[in-house]
Amino acid sequence: GQNIDQPTEMTATEGAIVQINCTYQTSGFNGLFWYQQHAGEAPTFLSYNVLDGLEEKGRFSSFLSRSKGYSYLLLKELQMKDSASYLCALDNYGQNFVFGPGTRLSVLP
Amino acid sequence: GAVVSQHPSRVICKSGTSVKIECRSLDFQATTMFWYRQFPKQSLMLMATSNEGSKATYEQGVEKDKFLINHASLTLSTLTVTSAHPEDSSFYICSARDGTSGPINTGELFFGEGSRLTVL
Repeated sequence: GQNIDQPTEMTATEGAIVQINCTYQTSGFNGLFWYQQHAGEAPTFLSYNVLDGLEEKGRFSSFLSRSKGYSYLLLKELQMKDSASYLCALDNYGQNFVFGPGTRLSVLP
Repeated sequence: GAVVSQHPSRVICKSGTSVKIECRSLDFQATTMFWYRQFPKQSLMLMATSNEGSKATYEQGVEKDKFLINHASLTLSTLTVTSAHPEDSSFYICSARDGTSGPINTGELFFGEGSRLTVL
């Protein structure tokens, strides 16, 4: 099976940088995805990693270390609209996605 | 990018009735669609994998006779909640991946808008 863990809640200040961690135990996977979800809405794609290392995409970057079973999402220049839940998900060899519990981020002025 | 449309976005029904939720891939063909359920402040839990032209694959603990899934075409999957009860009230989200958007098996997962079901 697969087990994914994320911090439940985080708080940060507008304009700051925040790192949201995701740790996992799994026998294998294709890639690790990060999604943003605002309350009452469907998730939207942010970033994904197949290989180890950092993937940068504007204000959002994601990092993966397969040997450490660890990923993080880095959000820079935080804006109020970034207040949302952030979900990491493992791509189970194209069969399905397994989602982590999600991290609720609150951005304060 | 690929678009997945889900309907209805909100539905309120009486206990004991059945509710059908549709999920369509608008600009790509999806041989496989996924149905998730999400309770407040919780993550997405996979209910079942819908396979075009064959039976759905249900996750452990999900009643296949209660949550009927039909994937009649390459662009449409439906989820029917039969004899709904208040505990079935939840946010139901469908998703599909567009295998043509990137290398095989690394296509991102596209989500429908979600359907909020309230059973009175």
